[in-house]
Amino acid sequence: DAGVTQSPTHLIKTRGQQVTLRCSPKSGHDTVSWYQQALGQGPQFIFQYYEEEERQRGNFPDRFSGHQFPNYSSELNVNALLLGDSALYLCASSKLSGATNEKLFFGSGTQLSVL
Amino acid sequence: DQQVKQNSPSLSVQEGRISILNCDYTNSMFDYFLWYKKYPAEGPTFLISISSIKDKNEDGRFTVFLNKSAKHLSLHIVPSQPGDSAVYFCAASGLWGAQKLVFGQGTRLTINP
Repeated sequence: DAGVTQSPTHLIKTRGQQVTLRCSPKSGHDTVSWYQQALGQGPQFIFQYYEEEERQRGNFPDRFSGHQFPNYSSELNVNALLLGDSALYLCASSKLSGATNEKLFFGSGTQLSVL
Repeated sequence: DQQVKQNSPSLSVQEGRISILNCDYTNSMFDYFLWYKKYPAEGPTFLISISSIKDKNEDGRFTVFLNKSAKHLSLHIVPSQPGDSAVYFCAASGLWGAQKLVFGQGTRLTINP
């Protein structure tokens, strides 16, 4: 049973460019959340997708956008890249139950470097 | 505004002894707390959790304690093993849903043989 898979593993971009990161959730999961982990910090919630719609959003600018496809996979897009966008981007999936003890399963992440 | 804080960036413990990792929070709306473990080049993996209605939860070598009045939780690992060497993140969620976790900065635990 494949867990959460993310691609690419590493990415180098230049300031001002746009980037798309991809995530396939764990089998049986229908909800995808994206997190940004800066160096030396804990992951920070970007947004959550369920039924192909953004359901919740963290404190991130509109340059960060996403999409969820009918097969539950998801993309994270970042426009007009800044140096400060350099971070590990983590995708997490779960089966939406509404229960507070719902567990998130994380992928290994995409390491984005903006030069 | 750091709502979940792990004030110790690193901790070194001898194999076989107890490891205690601490976490403080400020938001009274948090009602569920989790610990995740992260190895290099891997995503965080769930370790143990506790609901705000409990003060202790145990799973094998891992125990989490919650002190709501102090807004403090701790993770105890006993006995510590070399494979426990990793970065540990404390996280919290509330009524807004389990997908939006608020994480602490992490504590790097090193178990020395």
